[in-house]
Amino acid sequence: AQSVTQPDIHITVSEGASLELRCNYSYGATPYLFWYVQSPGQGLQLLLKYFSGDTLVQGIKGFEAEFKRSQSSFNLRKPSVHWSDAAEYFCAVGAPFNDYKLSFGAGTTVTVRA
Amino acid sequence: DGGITQSPKYLFRKEGQNVTLSCEQNLNHDAMYWYRQDPGQGLRLIYYSQIVNDFQKGDIAEGYSVSREKKESFPLTVTSAQKNPTAFYLCASSIAATGALTDTQYFGPGTRLTVL
Repeated sequence: AQSVTQPDIHITVSEGASLELRCNYSYGATPYLFWYVQSPGQGLQLLLKYFSGDTLVQGIKGFEAEFKRSQSSFNLRKPSVHWSDAAEYFCAVGAPFNDYKLSFGAGTTVTVRA
Repeated sequence: DGGITQSPKYLFRKEGQNVTLSCEQNLNHDAMYWYRQDPGQGLRLIYYSQIVNDFQKGDIAEGYSVSREKKESFPLTVTSAQKNPTAFYLCASSIAATGALTDTQYFGPGTRLTVL
């Protein structure tokens, strides 16, 4: 079964600074990988996803993520953070032959200071 | 506007009572899902449905029940058998009957259930 770990529970970053959120997965082959964002009290919104091909994936709101097979990682990055990026971010992994199931990490809360 | 609606936003329940959470979508999606979210944890799948009149248990189905009588509706009942029901509940949908992960799952705004 697949699983995902987000090592950082909480990150504080200054507005305009860069942001990197870590995600490590466990799966025997290349999984499907996702990053979602959740604003307080709201549902989740998909930022980006990776299935195959180019290992650098561009998403919405200026986010990108890089799949590194050798490190079993799918880290999320943004070059310059805006105050509106304060939210909780979830990495999720799915197995290509287990269509329905996404396994989510515990999430990383991002605080943006002025 | 197309989307997923969940009601109510906040729900309070006394111990021993069943309660039903509503989820409606007008996206014409075949697949629908219910997740539970607890503080400091990721989402966990309760039930999912790939087509009308059919649904499957997820990882934590005990103490919950669902129905899928209409394509646009997938209500979740939290029964008195659920030992720790206080949580944030999220409904999602995706376009294809296969529920393929290549299809984006769209989430509703959630219902926060508190058992008193």
